[in-house]
Amino acid sequence: DQQVKQNSPSLSVQEGRISILNCDYTNSMFDYFLWYKKYPAEGPTFLISISSIKDKNEDGRFTVFLNKSAKHLSLHIVPSQPGDSAVYFCAARSMAGTALIFGKGTTLSVSS
Amino acid sequence: DAGITQSPRHKVTETGTPVTLRCHQTENHRYMYWYRQDPGHGLRLIHYSYGVKDTDKGEVSDGYSVSRSKTEDFLLTLESATSSQTSVYFCAISGTGFPNEQFFGPGTRLTVL
Repeated sequence: DQQVKQNSPSLSVQEGRISILNCDYTNSMFDYFLWYKKYPAEGPTFLISISSIKDKNEDGRFTVFLNKSAKHLSLHIVPSQPGDSAVYFCAARSMAGTALIFGKGTTLSVSS
Repeated sequence: DAGITQSPRHKVTETGTPVTLRCHQTENHRYMYWYRQDPGHGLRLIHYSYGVKDTDKGEVSDGYSVSRSKTEDFLLTLESATSSQTSVYFCAISGTGFPNEQFFGPGTRLTVL
């Protein structure tokens, strides 16, 4: 049973527009959520995170929103740039452990 | 960038042979992890370590063993490789701070024929 779900395998956006990547989770024990970005032939790189005690965290063009009641988080990228084209993974960690549980990823394509 | 290296970066082997992948870190981080990435599955945890000689199983540990005799090295062994273990393997590290983001190595592409 998948605890972290990214239901959209792919997303295409034009340069300058907003990209919204979504993630749903089922385990209410998750207390920390992260987004990773992955380019082909490279390891994932940490992008942004949010604690369950917050509902929003911003870092430059990237904002993550958390809706605990809906068990949903989203990553907003504004404005989108061609260099943002990559696979984005949502991940969650439960308070009981240190390991992360990842979603299957969403491939973002930003066209110029 | 976190100092994480993986070796080898690419390997082709035959079914039934043992394979060992190495992860080396220069950050002196306590936690180390092995993940595999497969199409349609994202990243799945195989094993992790929370200190020298301290390891635990992850979601997909069957067919894999690990060892950590030094803080900087975490080895993943496929005792008898199978075609289902063809994958890209990523090592990750994290420190003890709360919360602790994980930093990933460049990956090892393993093909089992």
